[in-house]
Amino acid sequence: DGGITQSPKYLFRKEGQNVTLSCEQNLNHDAMYWYRQDPGQGLRLIYYSQIVNDFQKGDIAEGYSVSREKKESFPLTVTSAQKNPTAFYLCASSIRTGGTEAFFGQGTRLTVV
Amino acid sequence: KNQVEQSPQSLIILEGKNCTLQCNYTVSPFSNLRWYKQDTGRGPVSLTIMTFSENTKSNGRYTATLDADTKQSSLHITASQLSDSASYICVVGEETSGSRLTFGEGTQLTVNP
Repeated sequence: DGGITQSPKYLFRKEGQNVTLSCEQNLNHDAMYWYRQDPGQGLRLIYYSQIVNDFQKGDIAEGYSVSREKKESFPLTVTSAQKNPTAFYLCASSIRTGGTEAFFGQGTRLTVV
Repeated sequence: KNQVEQSPQSLIILEGKNCTLQCNYTVSPFSNLRWYKQDTGRGPVSLTIMTFSENTKSNGRYTATLDADTKQSSLHITASQLSDSASYICVVGEETSGSRLTFGEGTQLTVNP
């Protein structure tokens, strides 16, 4: 089936550790995005990528890093520099940036313990 | 600052009833407006997407309207079902940078039997 897959669904991390969230799509989409969702707030953009080997910071990029070595994959690393990493993380993709449909993964809930 | 405001914040209705959710935005220049449905702990799923020239779009029991002059949109749900219980998110895209989507905080709809 075509779609966008995030893993794992739940992730627990100790303070001071880096952790990487996986996002894979087989929709042949050029653009991919990472968002963070906190209770009572709208989704906020962390990073986005319009094409392989290129990515741009979003509104809340501090403490996060990404890579786009393959069209299908856009992993997000939450580093120890992120002061409040506990949140629901959503990955999305679209054919290209612009007024096109964005498809979301099922999300990863990260909890720092 | 671009903003998307949704009302009401939460809504409880009985199964079979209709309801209307509101979205006001200040995003400029405007590119498109989307409505998403998000079940608890899941990724958002697209319901409709409208550009400047469209003032209504339907998807089954969901009908979205757009008034680009007043910068308002509504989502009307007809003959509600228990499965309609979810958060409904209004999202507005900017013309100048399609990757920039501004998300509303969502309206939490609960449909009771």
